[in-house]
Amino acid sequence: AQSVTQLGSHVSVSEGALVLLRCNYSSSVPPYLFWYVQYPNQGLQLLLKYTSAATLVKGINGFEAEFKKSETSFHLTKPSAHMSDAAEYFCAVAKKTSYDKVIFGPGTSLSVIP
Amino acid sequence: DTEVTQTPKHLVMGMTNKKSLKCEQHMGHRAMYWYKQKAKKPPELMFVYSYEKLSINESVPSRFSPECPNSSLLNLHLHALQPEDSALYLCASSQRQGLNEKLFFGSGTQLSVL
Repeated sequence: AQSVTQLGSHVSVSEGALVLLRCNYSSSVPPYLFWYVQYPNQGLQLLLKYTSAATLVKGINGFEAEFKKSETSFHLTKPSAHMSDAAEYFCAVAKKTSYDKVIFGPGTSLSVIP
Repeated sequence: DTEVTQTPKHLVMGMTNKKSLKCEQHMGHRAMYWYKQKAKKPPELMFVYSYEKLSINESVPSRFSPECPNSSLLNLHLHALQPEDSALYLCASSQRQGLNEKLFFGSGTQLSVL
C-alpha cells in the first residue's frame, strides 16, 4: 500500500529563513510524488513533481524537492521564505491500483513571521 | 486559459433542498474530478470522469450525483444532504487520467448544509 506522511502539521519560519517541509512515503516501488500548495480560500496548485527523471526537482516560486529512495523521503525546501509563502502544503503520491489515484498527505500549514 | 472555474463560490442549503455545483474548463482536458475537503484536512477523491464517462466512484453516497454533459463541463447534483456534508468541494482537471498527470484545481464551492 502507498501512503504519505508529513512530519509537522504546522511549521513557522521567519521571513528570509530556510523553509523545510518534510514528506515521507511508503511504497514498494518508486512512485510519482508531488507537492501541492493551497492558499487561503483557493484550490490546490502544483509546485513540483517527481517522475524519476531527476532526483532534485525544481518547482515554481523558488521551491525544490529532493527524492531520496534510501530514506523514502521527498522533502520540500526553499532557501528564503517570503510572507507570500504562508499557505497549506500537501505532499501527494500517485497510486496504481485498479485505477490511477492521487493520495494526499495530511498537509503542513506554513506560517511566515515578519 | 489555464483556469478551472467553479460556481457558486458559496452555497447554503437545507437538508431537503436540491442544488447543483458547476465546474468548467477550456484547456482541452479529458479527465475531470470532484474532491471533498473538510477544514484542515487533505482533499478526498469522490469521482473521476475520463472522456466524459464515469471512471471512478469512491463509494460516494447516492445523495451526490455527478454529471459530465460534455468535455468542458462537470456538475455535481446535491439532494437530501446531511450537515456532515458541509465542506469545500473542489473540481479538478488533467489532460487525461494517469499517474503522472498534473491536476489543475478550481477555487472550490464552500458548502454549508443546515
